[in-house]
Amino acid sequence: GNSVTQMEGPVTLSEEAFLTINCTYTATGYPSLFWYVQYPGEGLQLLLKATKADDKGSNKGFEATYRKETTSFHLEKGSVQVSDSAVYFCALSGSGFQGGSEKLVFGKGTKLTVNP
Amino acid sequence: DARVTQTPRHKVTEMGQEVTMRCQPILGHNTVFWYRQTMMQGLELLAYFRNRAPLDDSGMPKDRFSAEMPDATLATLKIQPSEPRDSAVYFCASALTGELFFGEGSRLTVL
Repeated sequence: GNSVTQMEGPVTLSEEAFLTINCTYTATGYPSLFWYVQYPGEGLQLLLKATKADDKGSNKGFEATYRKETTSFHLEKGSVQVSDSAVYFCALSGSGFQGGSEKLVFGKGTKLTVNP
Repeated sequence: DARVTQTPRHKVTEMGQEVTMRCQPILGHNTVFWYRQTMMQGLELLAYFRNRAPLDDSGMPKDRFSAEMPDATLATLKIQPSEPRDSAVYFCASALTGELFFGEGSRLTVL
């Protein structure tokens, strides 16, 4: 079945450092890929997404490229801020549009702490 | 500001008691999901509905959990009887196409 593996955390960085959180997936067909972010005490919210190979999703300085050849969707940001401290989840949904959203399979999450 | 609303936000109960969690999806969204989050297992899909019909509840322990959508504005997740291993944060999410919108979760503690 479909699965997502993301790097173990926690990750601790200083402000303005470069961030990479690795994510690889196993899926049949052509899944869509997502990064969600969870701030303390809140639900998850979509950060960015990519729906086909070689697509790059980007938002708030974060970006990730859908690499089918390496089955990866690594999250990157060139200069992190204290406000980026949160838990980041990589996720995929199965291929095949059925008139609505498909269920997401999530990775375990990576906790990021950014220190001033 | 459309959002998914979950109640209660926090619930502490004793083993054996019935627990009901409620979710109001975003108006117009046709798909509703229930996820459970724990430190050990991460986010697990329990069940989801499209147009109020259950599509997949394979992630839910059938003997004690039940999920329903009495109408388009309400989804419920019930645990009877509750057990300490059910302690977790339960998230509801709704969607129309693509993006899932999550509620703030219901934190359940079963003593």
